[in-house]
Amino acid sequence: GNSVTQMEGPVTLSEEAFLTINCTYTATGYPSLFWYVQYPGEGLQLLLKATKADDKGSNKGFEATYRKETTSFHLEKGSVQVSDSAVYFCALSDNQAGTALIFGKGTTLSVSS
Amino acid sequence: NAGVTQTPKFRILKIGQSMTLQCTQDMNHNYMYWYRQDPGMGLKLIYYSVGAGITDKGEVPNGYNVSRSTTEDFPLRLELAAPSQTSVYFCASSYSRSSYNEQFFGPGTRLTVL
Repeated sequence: GNSVTQMEGPVTLSEEAFLTINCTYTATGYPSLFWYVQYPGEGLQLLLKATKADDKGSNKGFEATYRKETTSFHLEKGSVQVSDSAVYFCALSDNQAGTALIFGKGTTLSVSS
Repeated sequence: NAGVTQTPKFRILKIGQSMTLQCTQDMNHNYMYWYRQDPGMGLKLIYYSVGAGITDKGEVPNGYNVSRSTTEDFPLRLELAAPSQTSVYFCASSYSRSSYNEQFFGPGTRLTVL
């Protein structure tokens, strides 16, 4: 079945450091891939998405590229801020409306000034 | 648009009590979902609905019931609360015509069963 594996946290960085959160997936067909972010005490917000191979999703300085050859969708940001502290979830969709998104377990990012 | 709204934000139940978690969306989405999020885990699908009057089970439906009488509302019912149902519950919705199944989430309800 479909699954998502993302790196274990927590990830602790200093402000302006480079961020990478690894995400790999297993899926049949051609899934869409998402990164969601959950700020403390809030619900999940879509951060970025990519719907086909080699697509790059980007938002708020974050980027992720859909790599079919390595089945990966790693999240990167060149310079993190304290306000980026949150839990980040990688998710997969089999593109069938009405089916669940498949989530990774989440990676907690803590950025200190 | 308010998007997806959920009430209450927090609730403590005693074992055996019942309650309904409310979810409303104002985006005219046909598809709606209930997930639960346990500590250190991703989200798991409880139930979903493809439109008013149509619901189906997800991965972890035991102990829950749902109904969908309108497009906007998708309440989740716990009949006999158990400690294993302590979790954070998220409601989500999506466009029926979206081929990417992008889902929009509410802020969540944190439920504790003691």
